[in-house]
Amino acid sequence: DAKTTQPPSMDCAEGRAANLPCNHSTISGNEYVYWYRQIHSQGPQYIIHGLKNNETNEMASLIITEDRKSSTLILPHATLRDTAVYYCIVRVGRAGGTSYGKLTFGQGTILTVHP
Amino acid sequence: SQTIHQWPATLVQPVGSPLSLECTVEGTSNPNLYWYRQAAGRGLQLLFYSVGIGQISSEVPQNLSASRPQDRQFILSSKKLLLSDSGFYLCAWSVTSGASYNEQFFGPGTRLTVL
Repeated sequence: DAKTTQPPSMDCAEGRAANLPCNHSTISGNEYVYWYRQIHSQGPQYIIHGLKNNETNEMASLIITEDRKSSTLILPHATLRDTAVYYCIVRVGRAGGTSYGKLTFGQGTILTVHP
Repeated sequence: SQTIHQWPATLVQPVGSPLSLECTVEGTSNPNLYWYRQAAGRGLQLLFYSVGIGQISSEVPQNLSASRPQDRQFILSSKKLLLSDSGFYLCAWSVTSGASYNEQFFGPGTRLTVL
């Protein structure tokens, strides 16, 4: 699976948009971009995923560049409860015909939302 | 709806003692199951995964073992704990259908301290 690079930390004011970048320059054609987040002392929570088109759900938007070498997770109106570590993960959607799907978590970005 | 349970929530054990952590999933059949560990200040490390009863794959050599005696039960064990086994242990599950991606759902975790 392709390696990802994220800034170690970011700050955001409550109510403003939080834009979290991720570089994945070695991504291959069959690899998806996933975002998870981990609030302190809890298990990670799935946020969103995409292949090449931009995606939006009730939690966030995912913008993937045309060359797919980077992406941005957007939390449109950050709240204090969005303070967490955000992980960008790249991996194949379906591993070699089996249904096993390994997630490789890096260090992520610590997002701090302040009042 | 599906739920995942882990117990105990916290555990303090002496070096050299045995370990047994349990994870159960409800509301789904034949899930893929995963054990992760998160050391203090570190990212998540995949320890074991299982695609079916009695089928265990280890990702890293270590002092731990895993078993899957029933379809929705996953157990993490050790015969003799080391100080380095301290950490936050997370169980996760994903579907094994022909979906194009495998979102993983994480349990609440067990915080293990080895003294």
